[in-house]
Amino acid sequence: DTGVSQNPRHKITKRGQNVTFRCDPISEHNRLYWYRQTLGQGPEFLTYFQNEAQLEKSRLLSDRFSAERPKGSFSTLEIQRTEQGDSAMYLCASSLVSGEKLFFGSGTQLSVL
Amino acid sequence: DAKTTQPNSMESNEEEPVHLPCNHSTISGTDYIHWYRQLPSQGPEYVIHGLTSNVNNRMASLAIAEDRKSSTLILHRATLRDAAVYYCSPQGYGNKLVFGAGTILRVKS
Repeated sequence: DTGVSQNPRHKITKRGQNVTFRCDPISEHNRLYWYRQTLGQGPEFLTYFQNEAQLEKSRLLSDRFSAERPKGSFSTLEIQRTEQGDSAMYLCASSLVSGEKLFFGSGTQLSVL
Repeated sequence: DAKTTQPNSMESNEEEPVHLPCNHSTISGTDYIHWYRQLPSQGPEYVIHGLTSNVNNRMASLAIAEDRKSSTLILHRATLRDAAVYYCSPQGYGNKLVFGAGTILRVKS
């Protein structure tokens, strides 16, 4: 069990550029979650997958955001045409089944200049 | 989604017990109550969860009110390593967690 892995740890980009983050969950976990966290706030739910199916998306997830989990293993979160307001920590978490605890990665810190 | 209310911050002396409260008055009958904590520059870490009965594990105890509208996380002997932001969250539909701003716990030596 190597835990939830997120890459990159830090990303600095210019406004208008596209960025993509990767999350590798714990291998047998079929549920995967994306959260966003800004300074001084708790994590905000963005979306979650059960295997490859995206089952819920928050209204926070605008059209510029897209998440995929093509084979039910790793997931990617892409932000198109980044804005300064997208600057935040993006957290990924996974769990084995419904009702179980979530394991979080260390996050990807995005800074949009 | 159910909402939670927690104190912004609390302070404790090292080696003393700490009781961290959480109100979740809109929780539904089947939602578990989860607690996580977060250190700077790290993702949240699971602490404990429960449904109706009080729960104990090696990290903490969880006391759940009979009406389930509130709960209390108990750290029996706070250490400096327990200084963190503590979040409570009902576990709703789809197992997702909904976090508030949490409680900043400061531990004094």
